[in-house]
Amino acid sequence: AQSVTQLGSHVSVSEGALVLLRCNYSSSVPPYLFWYVQYPNQGLQLLLKYTSAATLVKGINGFEAEFKKSETSFHLTKPSAHMSDAAEYFCAVRTNNNDMRFGAGTRLTVKP
Amino acid sequence: GAVVSQHPSWVICKSGTSVKIECRSLDFQATTMFWYRQFPKQSLMLMATSNEGSKATYEQGVEKDKFLINHASLTLSTLTVTSAHPEDSSFYICSATLHGEAFFGQGTRLTVV
Repeated sequence: AQSVTQLGSHVSVSEGALVLLRCNYSSSVPPYLFWYVQYPNQGLQLLLKYTSAATLVKGINGFEAEFKKSETSFHLTKPSAHMSDAAEYFCAVRTNNNDMRFGAGTRLTVKP
Repeated sequence: GAVVSQHPSWVICKSGTSVKIECRSLDFQATTMFWYRQFPKQSLMLMATSNEGSKATYEQGVEKDKFLINHASLTLSTLTVTSAHPEDSSFYICSATLHGEAFFGQGTRLTVV
């Protein structure tokens, strides 16, 4: 079964600092991986997706993620955090049935 | 990108009553839609797969008689929470897939009092 694990339920960074949110996947087939952001009481917004075209994926709002098969990882990064980045972030893998399996989520706090 | 619209955004109902949540794909057809539930400070968990013209497929532990799903057309799936109880209070989100990408509704905050 395909799954993802997010390490760290809460990450706190200062404004302007590097953001690193960790995600590891488990899949017996090449995975389709996604990062979503969720603001309070809202749905999910797609940040970026990996579909095997390129290992380094650039998304919206300055986020990017690198697919590393050797480490079974798909960590999300952003060079410089902004206050508006404070939100909940979910890593997800698409299953063979086309539904999504989500990680537990990481709450990002950005300090001024 | 494609748009999935969910209605209502929030609803408060009395214990024992039923609530219907609609999920519409506005600019594409979706033979399959998915319903997720998210409890406070938790992740999204798949509840069921809604299939147009056939019965929904429920995940283990989800009561099909309590969470009725109807996918009557290629653009509309409904989730009805029957005889709602306070423990059903949650955030419900639907999604539909187009060209391999999932598009999510805005979510529905259900509060049962």
